[in-house]
Amino acid sequence: GENVEQHPSTLSVQEGDSAVIKCTYSDSASNYFPWYKQELGKRPQLIIDIRSNVGEKKDQRIAVTLNKTAKHFSLHITETQPEDSAVYFCAASKNSGYSTLTFGKGTMLLVSP
Amino acid sequence: KAGVTQTPRYLIKTRGQQVTLSCSPISGHRSVSWYQQTPGQGLQFLFEYFSETQRNKGNFPGRFSGRQFSNSRSEMNVSTLELGDSALYLCASSWDRGAETQYFGPGTRLLVL
Repeated sequence: GENVEQHPSTLSVQEGDSAVIKCTYSDSASNYFPWYKQELGKRPQLIIDIRSNVGEKKDQRIAVTLNKTAKHFSLHITETQPEDSAVYFCAASKNSGYSTLTFGKGTMLLVSP
Repeated sequence: KAGVTQTPRYLIKTRGQQVTLSCSPISGHRSVSWYQQTPGQGLQFLFEYFSETQRNKGNFPGRFSGRQFSNSRSEMNVSTLELGDSALYLCASSWDRGAETQYFGPGTRLLVL
């Protein structure tokens, strides 16, 4: 089955810096890659996603890049703010007729003022 | 639209008991997936339901089961609870089978003593 590796497990940055979280996946058939943000005690919330026919997608301060050949994708957050502090999860899914996500283990991002 | 709701939000049980958790998807969504979240294993897929049928199942023992009703609401049941079943149980809904974009509920935090 699919396996998703996520790095780093923790990331500390200063407010205004950029943060990058990287994920690799094992199943070349995977074609949908969402990112979720989970604040303490809250539900995971979808912040951005990308499909395999697109190399990059941007939404304000957040961007995701995908390298299908290398089977890795990354989340980029620019001009970080304290409210960006949370755990971020990457996930992968393939269009197999099932709505099944395989998640990475998560990255705890801490943005210091 | 109202988001995904889950009841109860918190639950304390003892070993050997059974528990039933409930999930109401976003109105119009017909697919419901369940995930277990623990600090050690992260987010792990349990099963997915669509049109009252289990369409996919993760690698969990038979003590974990579920069902879906005609109004798309879903329940999951865990029998003969073990200490290791303590976790946050999240359900997620999507509009149709194979629709990758999933929206999570707030979760039910289960503590097994």
